[in-house]
Amino acid sequence: NAGVTQTPKFQVLKTGQSMTLQCAQDMNHNSMYWYRQDPGMGLRLIYYSASEGTTDKGEVPNGYNVSRLNKREFSLRLESAAPSQTSVYFCASSEAGQTGVYGYTFGSGTRLTVV
Amino acid sequence: GENVGLHLPTLSVQEGDNSIINCAYSNSASDYFIWYKQESGKGPQFIIDIRSNMDKRQGQRVTVLLNKTVKHLSLQIAATQPGDSAVYFCAENQAGTALIFGKGTTLSVSS
Repeated sequence: NAGVTQTPKFQVLKTGQSMTLQCAQDMNHNSMYWYRQDPGMGLRLIYYSASEGTTDKGEVPNGYNVSRLNKREFSLRLESAAPSQTSVYFCASSEAGQTGVYGYTFGSGTRLTVV
Repeated sequence: GENVGLHLPTLSVQEGDNSIINCAYSNSASDYFIWYKQESGKGPQFIIDIRSNMDKRQGQRVTVLLNKTVKHLSLQIAATQPGDSAVYFCAENQAGTALIFGKGTTLSVSS
């Protein structure tokens, strides 16, 4: 019963370095999401993928790119990390139907520090 | 864009009391709402949801109330326990794409 798996759990980057955060779900969900969580800011949507082959920007997409590799996997890439991207990143998936989005299942998060 | 907000950032209660966590939303077109619980160091966990064609939904020790007239959502936790201590987020679905989350209320339960 893995649900949503995120790797790595922790990461420290130097300014300007690049990295990819990995996310995989085993629930056969159509939709996947990337959020960032900062103190006092709640969860803010970075990018989402409503279905395999599609991706869309969320509220805070600048500095990030995503790839929906297949139905299971949705990766988030930081091309040139900046200290402002220090945050906790959560991946989520859901079975979104014609009536809208259903409840998400979240991963346990990646804690990223950019120095 | 419009965001879901919460009335209070923190709430402190005694064990055994009932807790009420409030949330205001601004988009009258939102048709689906969820409450999540987040414990320290973990991802958010689904608690309960409600669609806009309902005004109340009950789970185990939790009740969600939706007042569309004033665009208000609340989570009631009965007989609050120390294990309920966490951050609680409400979220709304706008335009059937992705959930928009509020900033969260930290619930502290003292025994």
